[in-house]
Amino acid sequence: GAVVSQHPSWVICKSGTSVKIECRSLDFQATTMFWYRQFPKQSLMLMATSNEGSKATYEQGVEKDKFLINHASLTLSTLTVTSAHPEDSSFYICSAATGAGGYGYTFGSGTRLTVV
Amino acid sequence: KQEVTQIPAALSVPEGENLVLNCSFTDSAIYNLQWFRQDPGKGLTSLLLIQSSQREQTSGRLNASLDKSSGRSTLYIAASQPGDSATYLCAVKDSGNTPLVFGKGTRLSVIA
Repeated sequence: GAVVSQHPSWVICKSGTSVKIECRSLDFQATTMFWYRQFPKQSLMLMATSNEGSKATYEQGVEKDKFLINHASLTLSTLTVTSAHPEDSSFYICSAATGAGGYGYTFGSGTRLTVV
Repeated sequence: KQEVTQIPAALSVPEGENLVLNCSFTDSAIYNLQWFRQDPGKGLTSLLLIQSSQREQTSGRLNASLDKSSGRSTLYIAASQPGDSATYLCAVKDSGNTPLVFGKGTRLSVIA
């Protein structure tokens, strides 16, 4: 089945630094990637939708200049958390769609970000 | 705006029991509904996907039903095992290529 590889699985960074999270579709072309954030004991909240070759669409309240999304190829999307602060500590997870809307989405394994 | 609610928020049962997890959604015009399992600190594992035209899907000890008109779905787990302990998430897709909308999940503990 479709597999999305997400790296790193966990990262600890200092406040003020930037962190890049990668999601790769291993055996299919992901025309659309969704990025979610999950705080402890909360559900997954959509941050942004990225389509290959175009600018990402951000949900209300998500700063596009802070959470940079790049979807330059059909198999790779990246999320960069810039100038990270402790309140950005969360679980980030990506999800890929192939464009065949009748199928469920495939999720990466998630990235636990801790900003100290 | 679509909203998904899951009841109960947490559930603890002895091993061997059959159990039902509930999911409701406010806009019945969905494309499909998906149940996921999430282990602590881990990603999501898809369990069952029900298209809007379907009424149920089965996989092993799991059975998911969908009543689109009433905006409800249930996940039935038969003969629960300690390995079933996890958070179960319900998510709906409203159309084509739109993102999933998730409920807050039900945290299940199966006690040996």
